Amino acid sequence: QKEVEQDPGPLSVPEGAIVSLNCTYSNSAFQYFMWYRQYSRKGPELLMYTYSSGNKEDGRFTAQVDKSSKYISLFIRDSQPSDSATYLCAFADRTGGFKTIFGAGTRLFVKA
Amino acid sequence: SAVISQKPSRDICQRGTSLTIQCQVDSQVTMMFWYRQQPGQSLTLIATANQGSEATYESGFVIDKFPISRPNLTFSTLTVSNMSPEDSSIYLCSVATLNTEAFFGQGTRLTVV
Repeated sequence: QKEVEQDPGPLSVPEGAIVSLNCTYSNSAFQYFMWYRQYSRKGPELLMYTYSSGNKEDGRFTAQVDKSSKYISLFIRDSQPSDSATYLCAFADRTGGFKTIFGAGTRLFVKA
Repeated sequence: SAVISQKPSRDICQRGTSLTIQCQVDSQVTMMFWYRQQPGQSLTLIATANQGSEATYESGFVIDKFPISRPNLTFSTLTVSNMSPEDSSIYLCSVATLNTEAFFGQGTRLTVV
């Protein structure tokens, strides 16, 4: 079993749709849960960052962590063409070291 | 958050040559990492750059091919040695501290011809 599973997509949605991006993980020691957005030909930029279970909202973005199910989600409301990018989930266990483990990334296309 | 400057942003190199990529951070950070992202792929950790000691390499990556330096807490270099077309990738510098998430530079897009 892979440590992190993420559907690579591509995922294509119309403008204004609600987008749900998901990852599962197997390492119960992960404490930090992150979502990065990567535009073509750019480095990943941190989008959302949560510690432990629960929800975190930032504008049109909501990150959700369910540690009992080892499942995290990123929701994008009112999606825009500018949201078209690759979204990578990422996990870290800082007590076990400093490494961050990344998912494969989901390519999202939002059509105008 | 940390601001990371990475140079060069892109380069086209001849096979058999070497390229050194620089990573400068605007604040002292505990850990610095080097990743490779091959076309259409996710991030693969090459090594952890340790200040004042040899880098810690991940499986499949060796010091002779990817020598790394980290002379202080804000600067690191990655050299891609004896390049071949298979080394064409984006190389990314990343930093983290004990209580923060990882931040990335903009990456170096390397094409080997």
